[in-house]
Amino acid sequence: QVTLRESGPALVKPTQTLTLTCSLSGFSLSTSGMCVSWIRQPPGKALEWLALIRWDDDKYYSTSLKTRLTISKDTSNNQVVLTMTNMDPVDTATYYCARFLYGDSVYYFDSWGQGTLVTVSS
Amino acid sequence: SYEVIQPLSVSVALGQTARITCGGNNIGSKNVHWYQRKPGQAPVVVIYTDSKWPSGIPERFSGSNSGNTATLTISRAQAGDEADYFCQVWDSSTAHVVFGGGTKLTVL
Repeated sequence: QVTLRESGPALVKPTQTLTLTCSLSGFSLSTSGMCVSWIRQPPGKALEWLALIRWDDDKYYSTSLKTRLTISKDTSNNQVVLTMTNMDPVDTATYYCARFLYGDSVYYFDSWGQGTLVTVSS
Repeated sequence: SYEVIQPLSVSVALGQTARITCGGNNIGSKNVHWYQRKPGQAPVVVIYTDSKWPSGIPERFSGSNSGNTATLTISRAQAGDEADYFCQVWDSSTAHVVFGGGTKLTVL
């Protein structure tokens, strides 16, 4: 059974750096075609894609946020980490990690974590 | 960058058919995927690659994609179908995931 679980602080102050961890089980991120991505949803707003890391360590970032984001993987510990610098109240959102299937006409999220709410406030 | 547009809201009478659209330039040339998100829950894929069913999704959900519009169709709508629905594509030219703005489905 594939599961993903997000962890990280519920509250961060403006200008701080956010670090979120996605713990994976039921699959290996070293398997060809497997990717993990981060997505967020501010309250009452749409889903926003943030970043994606592939099995071969290629990384892709949202154009609007790429200067603030870093995604990395720890395959031995089955984790993916996202850091976002210079947090602002507009970054308040539920942050999700999700497994992304890549290749052979499939480019979609087949499993999602439950999400973690991050509030940015002083 | 590629954009996809969804209506903000769609209403359907109980037991009738709801259609939610996702518009984009020549979207018919891309694979479109649909997610359902209920309050307090993680999104769930209900249709992938235009018209395929993940396991556990009833066949009341169906999808099509042609030209500039992809459509998610929900037949015999139930109260439990009330949710936000998002379409998603992969923009291979930029290696970006693209989400639509989401459509709130109300079952009357």
